[in-house]
Amino acid sequence: GAVVSQHPSWVICKSGTSVKIECRSLDFQATTMFWYRQFPKQSLMLMATSNEGSKATYEQGVEKDKFLINHASLTLSTLTVTSAHPEDSSFYICSATRDGYEQYFGPGTRLTVT
Amino acid sequence: KQEVTQIPAALSVPEGENLVLNCSFTDSAIYNLQWFRQDPGKGLTSLLLIQSSQREQTSGRLNASLDKSSGRSTLYIAASQPGDSATYLCAVRNAGNMLTFGGGTRLMVKP
Repeated sequence: GAVVSQHPSWVICKSGTSVKIECRSLDFQATTMFWYRQFPKQSLMLMATSNEGSKATYEQGVEKDKFLINHASLTLSTLTVTSAHPEDSSFYICSATRDGYEQYFGPGTRLTVT
Repeated sequence: KQEVTQIPAALSVPEGENLVLNCSFTDSAIYNLQWFRQDPGKGLTSLLLIQSSQREQTSGRLNASLDKSSGRSTLYIAASQPGDSATYLCAVRNAGNMLTFGGGTRLMVKP
């Protein structure tokens, strides 16, 4: 159990457009979901924490108007990168926790902005 | 603010060697520490999770130790295999369910 999926796994978009990434907990209800960003050969950096039905909490330096997070249900959180630019190209990984004890990670989404 | 450091950043060893990966953290007030494996372009696979009250955890050829007071953890890999080649990430959990990751160790096991 404790499987987290992400969709899409890979996306290319043009500069100025928006792209939505979904994170789903497939076999459990996630009280909290997290979004991370990972640049090549670097570690994961937490972007924001979201709880179902409430506004996301963003880490310092992360623009909340650019990275829109919606945690609409206990099994789904979405990250929308608005007006994407090439510098937004990165690997985005979500995780989910059901009890606050352990985070279960999705397979990641590679975003390339041209 | 918690900071997590992993040494070495990269490691290349011949197949069959036993090896140790190191992780250190600045704030010892942690709930747990977790070791992950990440293959290129992939997500994270959890290897071992050590609670703050534990000293070590073992799974197969992997053994992770935790010395909370000194802010250190080690991941020991016995009899390394080419399939062990990956990036190994250490992460500590502080209050608020937040994980802070180290920079990772890129391991290459040569046949």
